[in-house]
Amino acid sequence: GQQVMQIPQYQHVQEGEDFTTYCNSSTTLSNIQWYKQRPGGHPVFLIQLVKSGEVKKQKRLTFQFGEAKKNSSLHITATQTTDVGTYFCAIPRGGSNYKLTFGKGTLLTVNP
Amino acid sequence: DAGVIQSPRHEVTEMGQEVTLRCKPISGHDYLFWYRQTMMRGLELLIYFNNNVPIDDSGMPEDRFSAKMPNASFSTLKIQPSEPRDSAVYFCASSLAGGAGQPQHFGDGTRLSIL
Repeated sequence: GQQVMQIPQYQHVQEGEDFTTYCNSSTTLSNIQWYKQRPGGHPVFLIQLVKSGEVKKQKRLTFQFGEAKKNSSLHITATQTTDVGTYFCAIPRGGSNYKLTFGKGTLLTVNP
Repeated sequence: DAGVIQSPRHEVTEMGQEVTLRCKPISGHDYLFWYRQTMMRGLELLIYFNNNVPIDDSGMPEDRFSAKMPNASFSTLKIQPSEPRDSAVYFCASSLAGGAGQPQHFGDGTRLSIL
């Protein structure tokens, strides 16, 4: 089935450093979603990217969708302790935009 | 507005027992999803419904698992009989309908431990 590779698996940074997580698919995607899950919490939707080469910003978070629509990245500028959590990308599969495959996630820890 | 509501939050039971997990989606949402999350396998879609009708149950691991949605405001996921390998966090999520996909709103989850 359709899969998505997400790297790195873990990332530990000092507060104020930048952070990036990447998702790569072997097939062209119609869209990609990003979620954040705090420790002990539930996934929370962050954003959806649809267009080739799309770049969207949410404060210190920058999301990109590759030109070929096969990869995506989430970049956090100047991390804060509130950024701690696992960041997941999710891609549609099986011809349905509702049937999502989630990446394994990148666990971000921030040292204050 | 109330989010997705799941119950119970925690469940500990012995293997062989029947387990029923409950979910109330966000009012007005057309889609309901059941996920399972483990360290080994990550977040997996088990089954999803559209307008109370099961659309895809290919993620349901075995016949011991069943899910129902008798009305737009309630769904259950049942495991009978339960086994230790079913221990996981089970999330329910709901979303609106939309062309390019819609955000999925997750409940707080049920942390299930089968002894």
